[in-house]
Amino acid sequence: EPEVTQTPSHQVTQMGQEVILRCVPISNHLYFYWYRQILGQKVEFLVSFYNNEISEKSEIFDDQFSVERPDGSNFTLKIRSTKLEDSAMYFCASSETGPNSYNEQFFGPGTRLTVL
Amino acid sequence: KNQVEQSPQSLIILEGKNCTLQCNYTVSPFSNLRWYKQDTGRGPVSLTIMTFSENTKSNGRYTATLDADTKQSSLHITASQLSDSASYICVVSAYPGGSYIPTFGRGTSLIVHP
Repeated sequence: EPEVTQTPSHQVTQMGQEVILRCVPISNHLYFYWYRQILGQKVEFLVSFYNNEISEKSEIFDDQFSVERPDGSNFTLKIRSTKLEDSAMYFCASSETGPNSYNEQFFGPGTRLTVL
Repeated sequence: KNQVEQSPQSLIILEGKNCTLQCNYTVSPFSNLRWYKQDTGRGPVSLTIMTFSENTKSNGRYTATLDADTKQSSLHITASQLSDSASYICVVSAYPGGSYIPTFGRGTSLIVHP
């Protein structure tokens, strides 16, 4: 069964460093999303992406964040200068159709980012 | 501010028993409500999706209800199994001007004991 994959599963970095989290969405999906979940807290929406453009972003997704689809399969989240509060589990998701009423999103297993 | 509140925060039941989880929301304008199951250390998995015109939606032993007037939803699990132990998350989406803005609840942690 097709699934969303994410690499690495765990990333440790020093504060101020840049990190790139990678995701491979399901192959026929056109809409992509990033979410984060700080330990013990609820999942939060970061950004949605379609047709090589950001469709929507939350207040969390500030200038230190960027997303890219560098080729036909990968979808990346870059954090330019990591802060301690960026430590969280980052989930990628994809969907075949847009965020309309019956759109089912499939989530990856997540990348745990630890900023020291 | 859009909010989703879930109760109880945690729940312990015996295998084979039924349970009901609650979700109250103050999200406007309402687009749809989803229930997800999240196993520890894994990504959420979709259980049900409902729009304002739907009152109930089933997926196997999971049945979700929605009352758009009172802005409440419930997830009923029938004949629980050990594998049902997980966090159950209610997500409500607003659709202001065509934008997709999901608000997540904190989840209900369910533990099913043999």
